[in-house]
Amino acid sequence: EAGVTQSPTHLIKTRGQQATLRCSPISGHTSVYWYQQALGLGLQFLLWYDEGEERNRGNFPPRFSGRQFPNYSSELNVNALELEDSALYLCASSPRQRQNQPQHFGDGTRLSIL
Amino acid sequence: GDSVTQMEGPVTLSEEACLTINCTYTATGYPSLFWYVQYPGEGLQLLLKATKADDKGSNKGFEATYRKETTSFHLEKGSVQVSDSAVYFCALSQGGSEKLVFGKGTKLTVNP
Repeated sequence: EAGVTQSPTHLIKTRGQQATLRCSPISGHTSVYWYQQALGLGLQFLLWYDEGEERNRGNFPPRFSGRQFPNYSSELNVNALELEDSALYLCASSPRQRQNQPQHFGDGTRLSIL
Repeated sequence: GDSVTQMEGPVTLSEEACLTINCTYTATGYPSLFWYVQYPGEGLQLLLKATKADDKGSNKGFEATYRKETTSFHLEKGSVQVSDSAVYFCALSQGGSEKLVFGKGTKLTVNP
């Protein structure tokens, strides 16, 4: 069974540009979660999508947005990039019946802002 | 809001030493508790979990017991190996919000 896959592995952008990160969940998983792992800030919850809808959002500005497609894959978009957006962005997925089910993580996209 | 506090690292041990990484949490209700491990250059892997009080999660020689009275979920291993070198994260989740709340992580280095 394939795990959670994320692309690209690395992404280099400059301030003010826009970045798009992609995630494919484990087959059969309907929920996708996004987390930011920035140096000194630890792992912070960004967004949760389930069945195509945004279900929960962390404490991030509106320039962080995303969507989930009918095949349950997801995109994270970051507009007007700032230097502090440099981080590892992790995607996770879990099955439809989420209660007590763990989230399974991909290897992440390393976003570097120059 | 919910929070997780885990032992600050880094922790350096010799092979075959005993490991304990402390984790305590603050949460309303009855969260599920997890330990995740992150090897260099990789994402997070689930190590073990516990979903209710007094549950013991175990995997690959690691154990942790959900202690509601002390709001703790300490990670233990009796004999560590060089291959256990990684960053370990304690986390909780609440039904409904679904997000994972993580501790800051503890970096473990095991020397031969």
